[in-house]
Amino acid sequence: SQKIEQNSEALNIQEGKTATLTCNYTNYSPAYLQWYRQDPGRGPVFLLLIRENEKEKRKERLKVTFDTTLKQSLFHITASQPADSATYLCALGSPGTYKYIFGTGTRLKVLA
Amino acid sequence: NAGVMQNPRHLVRRRGQEARLRCSPMKGHSHVYWYRQLPEEGLKFMVYLQKENIIDESGMPKERFSAEFPKEGPSILRIQQVVRGDSAAYFCASSTEGTGTYEQYFGPGTRLTVT
Repeated sequence: SQKIEQNSEALNIQEGKTATLTCNYTNYSPAYLQWYRQDPGRGPVFLLLIRENEKEKRKERLKVTFDTTLKQSLFHITASQPADSATYLCALGSPGTYKYIFGTGTRLKVLA
Repeated sequence: NAGVMQNPRHLVRRRGQEARLRCSPMKGHSHVYWYRQLPEEGLKFMVYLQKENIIDESGMPKERFSAEFPKEGPSILRIQQVVRGDSAAYFCASSTEGTGTYEQYFGPGTRLTVT
């Protein structure tokens, strides 16, 4: 069955460092991968989308990579700030379908 | 432009009662999705609707759960005869498109507690 794995343990990093979050998947061939941010008690907020033919996508301090050979996406936040502390979710989708499958998320804490 | 609205934000029901959750999509969005989230778990797809149509309800339990998105008014997720296991956060999301690279806009969620 399709499986998406994100670091279940919280990631603590020092302010100013680069945070790297991982999204691995098995038994799936997604064409699209999205990253969302979720704060406690709130709904997810869309951050970035990357297609299978794109190796890398950037938006301000965010960078996403998508390696279909390794079946992995990496999500980077450079120059991290305490305000970046949140849970980050990856979601995978296929062409012609509307259903995105979400990972369980990784909790990031940026220490001042 | 108001975002996706959900109400109520918190709902407490006793076992056996009905829970009715409402979702108003963003203006101009005709695609609505409902998800359920348990603590420490990911979002689980429940149902996808377009105006007046249920497109896919494969993630929704066949009994006690139903959803609608009428021509006028919000989308409704209804849970009849609630049980403790229904306690969760329920999120709805809306989008302009239904397939491919659409971005989903999520509401703040309704937290259902069954006592």
